[in-house]
Amino acid sequence: QVQLVESGGGLVKPGGSLRLSCAASGFSFSDYYMSWIRQAPGKGLEWVSYISGSGTTIDSADSVKGRFTISRDNSKNSLYLQMNSLRAEDTAVYYCARDPVGELFDYWGQGTLVTVSS
Amino acid sequence: EIVLTQSPGTLSLSPGERATLSCRASQSVRSSYLAWYQQKPGQAPRLLIYGASSRATGIPDRFSGSGSGTDFTLTISRLEPEDFAVYYCQQYGSSPRTFGQGTKVEIK
Repeated sequence: QVQLVESGGGLVKPGGSLRLSCAASGFSFSDYYMSWIRQAPGKGLEWVSYISGSGTTIDSADSVKGRFTISRDNSKNSLYLQMNSLRAEDTAVYYCARDPVGELFDYWGQGTLVTVSS
Repeated sequence: EIVLTQSPGTLSLSPGERATLSCRASQSVRSSYLAWYQQKPGQAPRLLIYGASSRATGIPDRFSGSGSGTDFTLTISRLEPEDFAVYYCQQYGSSPRTFGQGTKVEIK
């Protein structure tokens, strides 16, 4: 069965950096786009970034462009999100999700909490 | 970007009742590329509906979706105890993909 397990969240100061990871199993990882989606405490969902199966196509929300970088290692069935210049408004649970053809999100991980605070 | 507005914000119903949730888009959603997700407290969202009306794998037939253009509806024909949750719509017809703010279905 499809499993996605995020890790790497935690408390970081404003301006700091953090790298999130997502370990995938149960499907052919390199065949699928993958996305990061976040949810601020008590708020709705916001798509953050996606990457194609080969890693050649990438896009990000304007709110994180220039600060967050998505990447993947298909040999390790892993997805990453490098987050730099973090702000208080980046505080959220970050989910990785399988993203068939860059459209919708059919499987989600359990999420990892990122808290940006001094 | 397309803004999705869901209504009502909260729906208070009893088990066995019918739930009708609305999602209105600020502009037409291309090819009815609209999905619905269910999220329970402390859990990740789960895909229910895609293409406005197609149920995802394993989703019971009491969940149905309809609509096109700018107006979409999620209907739960008879609420089961496990259906009380927050529901989000999401459009994937144009970039960036956007979500509605959610409708909470609570027990009356």
